[in-house]
Amino acid sequence: NAGVTQTPKFQVLKTGQSMTLQCAQDMNHEYMSWYRQDPGMGLRLIHYSVGAGITDQGEVPNGYNVSRSTTEDFPLRLLSAAPSQTSVYFCASRSGATNEQFFGPGTRLTVL
Amino acid sequence: AQRVTQPEKLLSVFKGAPVELKCNYSYSGSPELFWYVQYSRQRLQLLLRHISRESIKGFTADLNKGETSFHLKKPFAQEEDSAMYYCALFNSARQLTFGSGTQLTVLP
Repeated sequence: NAGVTQTPKFQVLKTGQSMTLQCAQDMNHEYMSWYRQDPGMGLRLIHYSVGAGITDQGEVPNGYNVSRSTTEDFPLRLLSAAPSQTSVYFCASRSGATNEQFFGPGTRLTVL
Repeated sequence: AQRVTQPEKLLSVFKGAPVELKCNYSYSGSPELFWYVQYSRQRLQLLLRHISRESIKGFTADLNKGETSFHLKKPFAQEEDSAMYYCALFNSARQLTFGSGTQLTVLP
């Protein structure tokens, strides 16, 4: 099993550009989520999904969109990038049996 | 609303010394707490959870409901324990709320 995979690993954007961060898991987990990690602020939940076709907002959803067309994939879209979105983004999926959350390797995004 | 507080951003100890990473929480229900660890250049991974009452890599954590704490302890720190540690609370909405993290450095 690959677990949770994310692409790209690094990305530099200009203000106003859009892009999609990809996330996939092969563990058949229903629950998936996106976090951003900023120094001194820990991990903050952006959006989450409890199953295919169902998404909801987390703590810091503004400026981000998600969709969940399949159990495996949970892409995060930045509609119009802003410097405040410079961060490290982690995707995660969670086992319904154990509540253990598995994280991807992260995407380091810089918005100029 | 739930909150997880890790008061120490940075913590340094010498190899072989005891280490305690503090975590306090506020939550009106029955909490389910976790410690996650992120080693340099690696992804976050689960270290331990309170319901398992297990010891992983020599670390233990006891839930103290009276003090609303879930401190992480290890009697003899090793250099390979240097990492970022996050305390997390599982709330009734089935979401994980993370603390701000403590960067532990174990000095030789």
